[in-house]
Amino acid sequence: DAMVIQNPRYQVTQFGKPVTLSCSQTLNHNVMYWYQQKSSQAPKLLFHYYDKDFNNEADTPDNFQSRRPNTSFCFLDIRSPGLGDAAMYLCATSSPGSIEDQPQHFGDGTRLSIL
Amino acid sequence: SQELEQSPQSLIVQEGKNLTINCTSSKTLYGLYWYKQKYGEGLIFLMMLQKGGEEKSHEKITAKLDEKKQQSSLHITASQPSHAGIYLCGADVGTYKYIFGTGTRLKVLA
Repeated sequence: DAMVIQNPRYQVTQFGKPVTLSCSQTLNHNVMYWYQQKSSQAPKLLFHYYDKDFNNEADTPDNFQSRRPNTSFCFLDIRSPGLGDAAMYLCATSSPGSIEDQPQHFGDGTRLSIL
Repeated sequence: SQELEQSPQSLIVQEGKNLTINCTSSKTLYGLYWYKQKYGEGLIFLMMLQKGGEEKSHEKITAKLDEKKQQSSLHITASQPSHAGIYLCGADVGTYKYIFGTGTRLKVLA
């Protein structure tokens, strides 16, 4: 089945130690998104890629970066994680203009803990 | 900026009972989506509503969008333990921009 896969499901890192979260998709969708969801809060859009075009949300901290080397993969890099960055990180994809039954397809998320 | 407010924040019901979750937008909705999230997992798409007055059903879940397109409700009939989770409403707010409500945590007691 075509899907969005996030690795790892759980990630633990130390305060200030760079960490990378991975997302891959087999849907061949143009757009890939990264969301941050803190406990009991709504998912918050960090940025998205339309193909190779990167679009950062205005309030996304500089500490968060992203890379999309090809259509299938997208990475979230946190350069110096702070305790406030502990959250669930969700990857999603969409295909503009296609007749789909849902606006975005989500992965199962990566839960990031900071020690 | 547009915001989505959900009510109630949490809900505990006995198995077999009906329940309703509401989602209110601060601005007119152009696409309203309902998702279910199991604890610690990703979002599972339930339904999409786009037209004022639209109503959709899937199994025991019915979602409606009001005529003014500022409020949506999700109704579950004869709830089961499998319905437990967090229900989130989401909306289009621009090109490749989506916002979500803070969710309603549902617990169904067997």
